[in-house]
Amino acid sequence: AQSVSQHNHHVILSEAASLELGCNYSYGGTVNLFWYVQYPGQHLQLLLKYFSGDPLVKGIKGFEAEFIKSKFSFNLRKPSVQWSDTAEYFCAVNFKAAGNKLTFGGGTRVLVKP
Amino acid sequence: NAGVTQTPKFRVLKTGQSMTLLCAQDMNHEYMYWYRQDPGMGLRLIHYSVGEGTTAKGEVPDGYNVSRLKKQNFLLGLESAAPSQTSVYFCASSYYTGAYSNQPQHFGDGTRLSIL
Repeated sequence: AQSVSQHNHHVILSEAASLELGCNYSYGGTVNLFWYVQYPGQHLQLLLKYFSGDPLVKGIKGFEAEFIKSKFSFNLRKPSVQWSDTAEYFCAVNFKAAGNKLTFGGGTRVLVKP
Repeated sequence: NAGVTQTPKFRVLKTGQSMTLLCAQDMNHEYMYWYRQDPGMGLRLIHYSVGEGTTAKGEVPDGYNVSRLKKQNFLLGLESAAPSQTSVYFCASSYYTGAYSNQPQHFGDGTRLSIL
């Protein structure tokens, strides 16, 4: 079965530190890739997505992600985090074999200390 | 523009009771989804719909039923609630642009459901 793994369940950082969250998926075929963010008490919001073209994609709020097909990975990065980046981050994959359904990773809770 | 609206936002049930969660979207999306969110497990798909009058099972459909009588509404029902169904439920919707689409899903604010 197709699956999505996020390596870190919890990350604690200080403001201005760099952030990288790992995401790997289990399938070698065509995929669309997404990162969503969930701020405390809110719904999921789209940070960025990749479906073709330049494997380095830029999203909102200074986030970017790199698709490495050979490693089945789509890692999220931000060079300098702010306290307001405290949230839970979800990687989601749309496997072509699954049609228009998303498979989510388990999420990573990020706490940024001021 | 409201987007995706879920009602209620909170509910406490006793084991064996039934209830219906309502999801409404005003974006004319064809696809609608129901997920449950549990700690450390991300979001898991319960049921989904590709259009009015159609529904399909997702990853964790047992104990739930759904209906989509109108394009803008997607109802999730629990016939006989169990403590294992304590969770946060999210509804989402998306455009249909083909059998395999890159359209993102738009989420509601969630319903926090506790089963005692």
